[in-house]
Amino acid sequence: AQTVTQSQPEMSVQEAETVTLSCTYDTSESNYYLFWYKQPPSRQMILVIRQEAYKQQNATENRFSVNFQKAAKSFSLKISDSQLGDTAMYFCAFMKEPYFGNEKLTFGTGTRLTIIP
Amino acid sequence: DAEITQSPRHKITETGRQVTLACHQTWNHNNMFWYRQDLGHGLRLIHYSYGVQDTNKGEVSDGYSVSRSNTEDLPLTLESAASSQTSVYFCASSGTGSYGYTFGSGTRLTVV
Repeated sequence: AQTVTQSQPEMSVQEAETVTLSCTYDTSESNYYLFWYKQPPSRQMILVIRQEAYKQQNATENRFSVNFQKAAKSFSLKISDSQLGDTAMYFCAFMKEPYFGNEKLTFGTGTRLTIIP
Repeated sequence: DAEITQSPRHKITETGRQVTLACHQTWNHNNMFWYRQDLGHGLRLIHYSYGVQDTNKGEVSDGYSVSRSNTEDLPLTLESAASSQTSVYFCASSGTGSYGYTFGSGTRLTVV
């Protein structure tokens, strides 16, 4: 079974600074997908970024980027120029190659990020 | 616009009662999932379905059941509510899983 570990339960950073959230995972699969989800106080789950394991290039979405280290099984999220609206719980998630019977997401325990004005 | 809706948003029930949480999606997704969110545990999979008449148990399925009679709905039933089932419940759906899920806004259930 796959496991996802987020070792930082809480983090805080000053507005406009850069912050990195850590995620490690354990799998014997060769191809898979990794995700970061954001959950603001509204409780809505929002997809932030997605990475395909067979792609070497790290995914980026505006101020959000990942550092994907396949050999180390590490998938960290970097938020640049942090904004007050980035305050949220962030979940790292793993999915095996999705064919019928595999489309299940396994989540980490989350990191609560607070952006300080 | 397509959406996935959960109801109710909040519910308080008594121990031993049967409770059903609704999930309805208009994305025409085949895959639907129920998760519970608890502090320190993240989101854990309760039940899931890959199509009409298909249901499967997740890692924390004891005390829960689902049925899938159409594409749009996957109701979650707590057979006899227990205090340990106090949690926030999320429904999600996906068409092609590799792009992740679309989530509902969650139901906060309190069992007293």
